[in-house]
Amino acid sequence: QVYLMQSGGGVVKPGRSLRLSCAASGFSFGTYVMYWVRQTPGTGLQWVAVISSDGNNQYYSASVKGRFTISRDNSKNMVYLQLNSLSPEDTAVYYCAKPSGSGLDHWGQGALVTVSS
Amino acid sequence: EIVLTQSPATLSLSPGERATLSCRASQSISNYLTWYQQKRGQAPRLLIWDAFNTAPGIPDRFRGYGSGTDFTLTISSLEPEDFAVYYCQCHQGSSSDWPPVITFGGGTKVEIK
Repeated sequence: QVYLMQSGGGVVKPGRSLRLSCAASGFSFGTYVMYWVRQTPGTGLQWVAVISSDGNNQYYSASVKGRFTISRDNSKNMVYLQLNSLSPEDTAVYYCAKPSGSGLDHWGQGALVTVSS
Repeated sequence: EIVLTQSPATLSLSPGERATLSCRASQSISNYLTWYQQKRGQAPRLLIWDAFNTAPGIPDRFRGYGSGTDFTLTISSLEPEDFAVYYCQCHQGSSSDWPPVITFGGGTKVEIK
């Protein structure tokens, strides 16, 4: 059974930082790229970042590039998203997700990040 | 960057009726199109992958069609649990390309009439 268990999230002031974590189990974690996707309240889904299976390559959406960092620890089956220089526009539910082919077949439960003064 | 346009934004139907949802890509994406269902407070759930393959555990009333730029998700006879928001998503290039950029459509809400 594949599980993606997220932790982190919360309320943070503009300009501050936060780290999200995602613990994976039930599959060969080190052989998959991993994604972070966010969903702003009442709106749709937006891809945020992706990391290669070995962790050596990362790619970001233009809206977060230079502020967010995706990383992973294959020895612990963990993927992380470091969110820096947060703004109210980053307020969203953040999901980690595992790909299968061209889609995402398993998602974490989501973590709400609220950026507010 | 590929843009996915979903229509209609809202679909008002009664249980038992057929639902037809559209997703149009701004350029050809072959069959790299995925459909999700999302209910309030839950993560998206994979329904259809590579345009027409049904994910494990998904009822056969859900069917995906299309290739290139035009895709359709049909729900043959709506059950009460099918009222939700549906998103399409594409993969830019094959799943082995780097970077594996994905794009989501804006969603279609299927509501009870």
